[in-house]
Amino acid sequence: KNEVEQSPQNLTAQEGEFITINCSYSVGISALHWLQQHPGGGIVSLFMLSSGKKKHGRLIATINIQEKHSSLHITASHPRDSAVYICAVSPWGNDMRFGAGTRLTVKP
Amino acid sequence: KAGVTQTPRYLIKTRGQQVTLSCSPISGHRSVSWYQQTPGQGLQFLFEYFSETQRNKGNFPGRFSGRQFSNSRSEMNVSTLELGDSALYLCASSLKGGWQPQHFGDGTRLSIL
Repeated sequence: KNEVEQSPQNLTAQEGEFITINCSYSVGISALHWLQQHPGGGIVSLFMLSSGKKKHGRLIATINIQEKHSSLHITASHPRDSAVYICAVSPWGNDMRFGAGTRLTVKP
Repeated sequence: KAGVTQTPRYLIKTRGQQVTLSCSPISGHRSVSWYQQTPGQGLQFLFEYFSETQRNKGNFPGRFSGRQFSNSRSEMNVSTLELGDSALYLCASSLKGGWQPQHFGDGTRLSIL
C-alpha cells in the first residue's frame, strides 16, 4: 500500500465549480505539501502545512493530523486550473513521499 | 530573481553510458533536492544536499550519485544507464531544506535508447 493515497485520480469539472482533492497518508510527518504540475513538467509548490488551514487566492488547503488526511479545495474553478495536483509528505526534511497525483480538467 | 535552472532540458543516451545533470538553485538557497518522475513510479525522492553534504537519500541504487559545490550548484550523475532510467529529473531548492518551501526547476527529460 502506498504511503500517500490521493483521490480521485481524475477529475473533470465545469468552470465555476467547487473542487476538492483528498490526500490520506500512513506515516508520521513533519509537513505536507500540495504541488501543481502543468503539462511540460514544471512543478509549483502551492502549500506546505503541518496543521490547520491555509488559503491563497481561490485555493484552500486543510490538514487533520489526527486523521492523517488533507484536502485541497479550489473555489470558482477556471480552465487555467487544469493541471495535475500532487500531495506529498515529509517524514523528515526533504525526503518527500508523493501521491500519484490527481489530473484535473476544468472545462469552459 | 532567477528561478531554479536545470541543464540540459533534454538528453538522449544509450544503455551503459553515464550522464551528468546540472541544477543551479535560486541565489541564496543552500539546499538542493533531486527527484525522479516516471509514468510507472511517479515522483520519487533521490537525495538532498545542503552545504556540500548529502543530508538525505532515497531508495535508489548506487549508480545514482550527486554532489554540491560551494556555490550551492548541484550535479547528479547516473552511471551505467538502463532503459528504466528514462525519466524526468527534477531538482528543487530551498533556503535551508527541512521545514522550508521548495522551488522546482523545469526538469531534465532523459531518454535512454
